[in-house]
Amino acid sequence: GQQVMQIPQYQHVQEGEDFTTYCNSSTTLSNIQWYKQRPGGHPVFLIQLVKSGEVKKQKRLTFQFGEAKKNSSLHITATQTTDVGTYFCAGTNSYYNQGGKLIFGQGTELSVKP
Amino acid sequence: GAGVSQSPRYKVAKRGQDVALRCDPISGHVSLFWYQQALGQGPEFLTYFQNEAQLDKSGLPSDRFFAERPEGSVSTLKIQRTQQEDSAVYLCASGGTSGGVSSYNEQFFGPGTRLTVL
Repeated sequence: GQQVMQIPQYQHVQEGEDFTTYCNSSTTLSNIQWYKQRPGGHPVFLIQLVKSGEVKKQKRLTFQFGEAKKNSSLHITATQTTDVGTYFCAGTNSYYNQGGKLIFGQGTELSVKP
Repeated sequence: GAGVSQSPRYKVAKRGQDVALRCDPISGHVSLFWYQQALGQGPEFLTYFQNEAQLDKSGLPSDRFFAERPEGSVSTLKIQRTQQEDSAVYLCASGGTSGGVSSYNEQFFGPGTRLTVL
């Protein structure tokens, strides 16, 4: 079945350093979403990428969707302690608002040392 | 407005006991999903409803797992004869409003129910 792999599993950075997590799917995706889960919390939606080669930015966060729509990355510039948490990518094959199960990667746990 | 709520937040069950987990989605959301999240892992899809119709239950691990959403709002995930491997956080997510097709698939997650089977 469809699999979504995410690396690295853990990343420890000094505050101010950059951080990147990578996501690869075994199949072509219609879109990919990114979620953040704080320790003890639940996943919170960050962004969705739909188009091949799409790049979106949210302040210090940059999200990319590969040309083949099988891989994606999240890059955080100048990390802050508030960035701590686990970042998940999640792929879907549905184009419809009401449909589409999400296949989650294993997540990358980010810790930031002040 | 209120988000997705789940109850109970914590449940301890003895092996073999039946449990029922409740999800109250965001009002008006058509889609409802259940996920299982083991410690240190990403959420794994269990089942999906569109209104009251269960459109996909391919992720349910065994016939001990059953989910329903009889009136298209509140949903219940029931686990019969619980086993230790059922211990996990069960997440409910809702999304999608009625009134047409959109490519926007954001899911809003509830706080989860942490199930521990002894």
